[in-house]
This record gives sequence, structure tokens and C-alpha cells, in this order.
Amino acid sequence: DVKVTQSSRYLVKRTGEKVFLECVQDMDHENMFWYRQDPGLGLRLIYFSYDVKMKEKGDIPEGYSVSREKKERFSLILESASTNQTSMYLCASSLTTGGGGAFFGQGTRLTVV
Amino acid sequence: RKEVEQDPGPFNVPEGATVAFNCTYSNSASQSFFWYRQDCRKEPKLLMSVYSSGNEDGRFTAQLNRASQYISLLIRDSKLSDSATYLCVVPSGGSYIPTFGRGTSLIVHP
Repeated sequence: DVKVTQSSRYLVKRTGEKVFLECVQDMDHENMFWYRQDPGLGLRLIYFSYDVKMKEKGDIPEGYSVSREKKERFSLILESASTNQTSMYLCASSLTTGGGGAFFGQGTRLTVV
Repeated sequence: RKEVEQDPGPFNVPEGATVAFNCTYSNSASQSFFWYRQDCRKEPKLLMSVYSSGNEDGRFTAQLNRASQYISLLIRDSKLSDSATYLCVVPSGGSYIPTFGRGTSLIVHP
């Protein structure tokens, strides 16, 4: 069965901390994505990667960076956490051909205090 | 114009009712489309793909209207367990980059 795993379900961090969110997929998918989801705003794409060491900015990359050193792992980094980054973060992966859709991890609810 | 638009609802229907949602998209070059279901405080899960010829899976039917650039999801004989938010997904960019609508909330009541 398809599996995307995020390292934490809940995180509480202090303003200014550097935060790492990890995501691992076991489906050998080329594409991986990080979204954040906020009430009334839906899912917004932060960054995506279509290959190892490749990354592209999504719609809201400010304040974030990413790392993809291995095909199965895609990390989201908050360089200096701020309260407006309190959100649900969702990782997803998909095949390049686009068939079959994207599969999501269970989400990380991050609170920055 | 937003890339993917959905009526947020909520659609409040009794058990057994038939309900339909539409989703309009702006990228006329899009080739593949999907419906996802998201339960409260859970991740989105793929419900079904939307093919040019339509797609039916039990009580669920998805259709594509390229001329008017919308996709639809029809749910027949609604169950309480169908209560969720339904998200449509239209790819953007040269490769598959899922762009999500904001979702339509469905509440099925006894």
C-alpha cells in the first residue's frame, strides 16, 4: 500500500527557531510537494521537487526552504519560525506522468509561539 | 481568475439524497483531473480520477466538460459517512503539479 510518512503529527516551536519537517515516501515517486493548509485558504503549494537535488518554488515559498538529498525524502525547513507559520503542513508525492494523483502524508500541525 | 474554483458550501443534504458539486478551472491545457476527499483534521485522500469519458465508481460519478472547463462530482444515495470536504485537483505547470480548489463541504444528516 502507498505510504507517505511525516515525521511528526504535532509540533510546538518558539519564534525564531529553525524547524525541520521531514517526509518520506516508499513509492519511488519522482515528484514530492509541500503544502500548507489554513482555514478558508485551502492547500497552498510551498515548494516541490521533481528529482533528487531539484527544487522549485511554489506559490508561497517565503520563509521556507527545502532539501531533497534522496529520492524518498523531502524536507521542509523553516529558517526562523514566525507565528504566521502556524499551520497544517502536508507532504505529498506523485509520479511524473501525472496518472494516479498525489498521495499525502498524515500532516504536521505546527504551532509557533 | 483563480486557477481552480469551487463553491465552499456547505451542502447540507438528508441521507439518500443526490448531490452534485462543480469545479471550474482556468488552464485549458490541463489533461488529468481528480477529486479528493478530506475528513476533518485528516489528510486529503484520492477519491477518483476524472476521465474525458466520465468515471463512475459505485455511488460516485465524475464528469469532465472541456468546453466549459469544469469537472463535476455526483454522489447518489448519500450516506452519513459521505460527510467531508471534497477537493478538486487540476494539474498546472509543464509537469504534474497538483493545484487544489478550496474544497466543498458536504454534510449529510439523518
